[in-house]
Amino acid sequence: ILNVEQSPQSLHVQEGDSTNFTCSFPSSNFYALHWYRWETAKSPEALFVMTLNGDEKKKGRISATLNTKEGYSYLYIKGSQPEDSATYLCAFGVGHKLVFGAGTILRVKS
Amino acid sequence: NAGVTQTPKFQVLKTGQSMTLQCAQDMNHNSMYWYRQDPGMGLRLIYYSASEGTTDKGEVPNGYNVSRLNKREFSLRLESAAPSQTSVYFCASNSGTVAYEQYFGPGTRLTVT
Repeated sequence: ILNVEQSPQSLHVQEGDSTNFTCSFPSSNFYALHWYRWETAKSPEALFVMTLNGDEKKKGRISATLNTKEGYSYLYIKGSQPEDSATYLCAFGVGHKLVFGAGTILRVKS
Repeated sequence: NAGVTQTPKFQVLKTGQSMTLQCAQDMNHNSMYWYRQDPGMGLRLIYYSASEGTTDKGEVPNGYNVSRLNKREFSLRLESAAPSQTSVYFCASNSGTVAYEQYFGPGTRLTVT
């Protein structure tokens, strides 16, 4: 069974703080690594899909990096805002399937 | 475009009852997926369909069946509901392989008493 680990489990930060989370995944047979943002009472929405070692993706204040050789990805949020409060999920791609981590819950206090 | 739609939004069943969760997408996607979400466990794949006419088991298929009715629709059936199937169910679709992002429906909250 594939294991995708996310840390920390939850994080509380002040508005304006920068923060980052980690996703660890198997380093063999890599296909893709996804990051999703999931707000309470809504559906998960894709942030990034990364397929190449060394990939770096950016969307506004959020960015992600990928290291497939050592099996980890980082998600960074610069200058957190209350609207960034959500659960951030990463998922490891295997064939047609995604294996999700349990997520990191981010709460940003104003 | 409606994206991915699911019905119903909420359902309460008694143990042993059956029901079908419906999912449809209007993005002409080849692949469709059913997940369940339980507290502290992220999303777990129940079944998926890589293309019209094919279905495959995911991580937690026991107690469920699926039908890929056509390219648009992918239904999930609980034949004899059990309290352990109380969960939030999400349907998703994408263009093909895991190199493509998945688009999720709004979810169905199911309670089995």
